[in-house]
Amino acid sequence: QVRLQESGPGLVKPSETLSLTCTVSGGSISSHFWSWFRQPPGQGLEWIGYINYSGSTNYNPSLKSRVTLSVNTSENQLSLKLTSVTAADTAVYYCARDLCFRGIGLDVWGHGTTVTVSS
Amino acid sequence: EIVMTQSPATLSVSPGERATLSCRAGQSVSSNLAWYQQKPGQGPRLLIYRASTRATGIPARFSGSGSGTEFTLTISSLQSEDSAVYYCQQYDNWPLTFGGGTKVEVK
Repeated sequence: QVRLQESGPGLVKPSETLSLTCTVSGGSISSHFWSWFRQPPGQGLEWIGYINYSGSTNYNPSLKSRVTLSVNTSENQLSLKLTSVTAADTAVYYCARDLCFRGIGLDVWGHGTTVTVSS
Repeated sequence: EIVMTQSPATLSVSPGERATLSCRAGQSVSSNLAWYQQKPGQGPRLLIYRASTRATGIPARFSGSGSGTEFTLTISSLQSEDSAVYYCQQYDNWPLTFGGGTKVEVK
């Protein structure tokens, strides 16, 4: 059974870079796509972007200039970096296994990690 | 991007009663639509994909229908554990987009 666990600093200062990791256990990163999402307090879900096992990426145009996704297949980990953060980036951040290309949607999600942007 | 609109925002239903949730897409998404359940402090859980196929382990009381721009999630006999926020999501086009959610309360 595949499990995802997000981790990273809970507090980031404005203008700095947010860095998060998603550790995949119970299965391999290979052969799948993986997406990141975020959910501001009391709001809905926003797709940040996806990455596949070979490192191909696609980003939400609203964040494209500030986000970088990467994959470490040897460690079975995914990484997200978001630069020049502001209070608007305060949210719970999730990673998920992305089977949308197979018509199945997002079938495994992590529990999320809360990030607050504040000085 | 494709705008997804859900209604109602909140639904209060008695146990054992039927709950009907609606989702509308700003343009056709064919059957490339999924429904998720989210409880406080948890990540979303996939319920339905391809508009009407139940995901693994999802109880039969959850069913989905629709295609194109109009979709429905039905919970045939509401249980107390079904209290949650429900989101629809299209994957016909990127960026992936979600509806604003329907909060289901069990009376």
